[in-house]
Amino acid sequence: DAGITQSPRHKVTETGTPVTLRCHQTENHRYMYWYRQDPGHGLRLIHYSYGVKDTDKGEVSDGYSVSRSKTEDFLLTLESATSSQTSVYFCAISEGFPSLGYTFGSGTRLTVV
Amino acid sequence: GIQVEQSPPDLILQEGANSTLRCNFSDSVNNLQWFHQNPWGQLINLFYIPSGTKQNGRLSATTVATERYSLLYISSSQTTDSGVYFCAVEGTSGSRLTFGEGTQLTVNP
Repeated sequence: DAGITQSPRHKVTETGTPVTLRCHQTENHRYMYWYRQDPGHGLRLIHYSYGVKDTDKGEVSDGYSVSRSKTEDFLLTLESATSSQTSVYFCAISEGFPSLGYTFGSGTRLTVV
Repeated sequence: GIQVEQSPPDLILQEGANSTLRCNFSDSVNNLQWFHQNPWGQLINLFYIPSGTKQNGRLSATTVATERYSLLYISSSQTTDSGVYFCAVEGTSGSRLTFGEGTQLTVNP
């Protein structure tokens, strides 16, 4: 998907455990995003980054943190996973604002039991 | 923030039929994209279309930015067109993409 990779693709974890999802890009794009997709809600923005060490919250950021220490990597961390965080997580990249389009990764299916 | 409404929420067609999906948005936009989410969950970018008209094979899209809507046309539909179609917009005030809730399209053979 145009040089954007998410890992892992699938994960099952227990309530209360920490979880980190990784997004890696090879496009050298400035902006990176984490979305979650749930039935009936479409895709909703969790956090985004507009540069190394520059991040901001989206509409559903509670319970999540992010880090971006390199241009190519954007990490999403669930400090203590809950069942309400069971979802499909998508990473996206874009270059510039206004962008010329966003490109999405293949998604990570996370199940919290 | 900017609001995005898609219609219809569900659409069932016979193979070969044509269809029109609509996306209304509440404010000025810098970016508008149409995506197709296939049965495997992948989000495929169909069009980047903040204004004007584009065509790609059997699909075409038109955005009338001054009236704050976009239309996606699917002609001679095929079973492989099934899936969810999302409209997403980037407003002029913030660098993030806001999604509508999608149109679930089912094309029957």
